[in-house]
Amino acid sequence: AQSVTQLGSHVSVSEGALVLLRCNYSSSVPPYLFWYVQYPNQGLQLLLKYTTGATLVKGINGFEAEFKKSETSFHLTKPSAHMSDAAEYFCAVSEGGATNKLIFGTGTLLAVQP
Amino acid sequence: NAGVTQTPKFQVLKTGQSMTLQCAQDMNHEYMSWYRQDPGMGLRLIHYSVGAGITDQGEVPNGYNVSRSTTEDFPLRLLSAAPSQTSVYFCASSYQKTGGYGYTFGSGTRLTVV
Repeated sequence: AQSVTQLGSHVSVSEGALVLLRCNYSSSVPPYLFWYVQYPNQGLQLLLKYTTGATLVKGINGFEAEFKKSETSFHLTKPSAHMSDAAEYFCAVSEGGATNKLIFGTGTLLAVQP
Repeated sequence: NAGVTQTPKFQVLKTGQSMTLQCAQDMNHEYMSWYRQDPGMGLRLIHYSVGAGITDQGEVPNGYNVSRSTTEDFPLRLLSAAPSQTSVYFCASSYQKTGGYGYTFGSGTRLTVV
């Protein structure tokens, strides 16, 4: 069964610093991988996704993630943090197919310090 | 475009009461699902449906029932509410076919059981 592990439930960075949020997955088949962002008291918004092809995926708001099959990782990065990036970030995996279930990690709360 | 609409946004129930959380989407998505979000646990899949008339259990189905009589609607029923069901509930939908499309989420229902 697929699963997702997000290392670090809380990450704090300074404004302008690199953002790195870690995600490792387990899947028995080539996975589809996603990052979602949740702002306070809101639903989840898709940041980016990996399906097939290029392993470096660019998303909204300057975020990107790289699929590394050998490391079973899909870490999320942004070169320069902005105050508006403060939110909770969820990594998720799907094996597609007949059920297309999306399984989420436990989330990482990103704080951005001025 | 309404996307995924959840009602109500907030609800307080007494232990033992029943209620239905409504979810409707207008994107003709085949796949719909219900998640609950609890602090430190991410989003956990309750039930999902791959099309009208077809439903299946997710990770945490106990205490919840679903049905899918139309493509648009996927209500979640709590038969006898318990304090452990206090949570934020999200409905999500996706264009099923081959996976990898990501989900569209509703804005959530915050449920408190006292």
